Amino acid sequence: DAGVIQSPRHEVTEMGQEVTLRCKPISGHDYLFWYRQTMMRGLELLIYFNNNVPIDDSGMPEDRFSAKMPNASFSTLKIQPSEPRDSAVYFCASWDRGRNTEAFFGQGTRLTVV
Amino acid sequence: GNSVTQMEGPVTLSEEAFLTINCTYTATGYPSLFWYVQYPGEGLQLLLKATKADDKGSNKGFEATYRKETTSFHLEKGSVQVSDSAVYFCALGSGTYKYIFGTGTRLKVLA
Repeated sequence: DAGVIQSPRHEVTEMGQEVTLRCKPISGHDYLFWYRQTMMRGLELLIYFNNNVPIDDSGMPEDRFSAKMPNASFSTLKIQPSEPRDSAVYFCASWDRGRNTEAFFGQGTRLTVV
Repeated sequence: GNSVTQMEGPVTLSEEAFLTINCTYTATGYPSLFWYVQYPGEGLQLLLKATKADDKGSNKGFEATYRKETTSFHLEKGSVQVSDSAVYFCALGSGTYKYIFGTGTRLKVLA
């Protein structure tokens, strides 16, 4: 397996624009997590899914943020409208609960909102 | 609730020095504990893990022991290299299947 794949790796957008980040988890993993990393706040869990169903979105900062997982092999994190304070690195991770191994992270998407 | 506390960084060491990065946790039940490493421009990678009390995780010369009595999981390496320069995250895998991460400790090793 190629691991967790995120796209794009880098995104620069203007304030007010819609941004969509994408994630392809490892095949067979039943949990998917979205994290945000900033210098000020460190690594924050935004939302996680189990079998494509959102379980806990308490970390989503505002209604401008939304996440979906339409099937087991794809998830999106959308920010609409984007603001400069959303600039961060966004990571997706997936986990196989049945094997109880560690969570595997993607390379991240570095988002810059200007 | 569950939480992880890591020592503040950055930590700057000379090559071949001994490394300790402290990590303590608060948790109900019996969580698994992890150390992840993040190299510049990359995602997090698992460095080592321990799934029960007194377990020792080890990898690439790094070690950490799951100490339930002191609720700690300190990371150690006997002789660091320049290539170990990275950010290290302590993490707790909780019963609700959420990973809780510490704030990260940046390590810089000088030649």
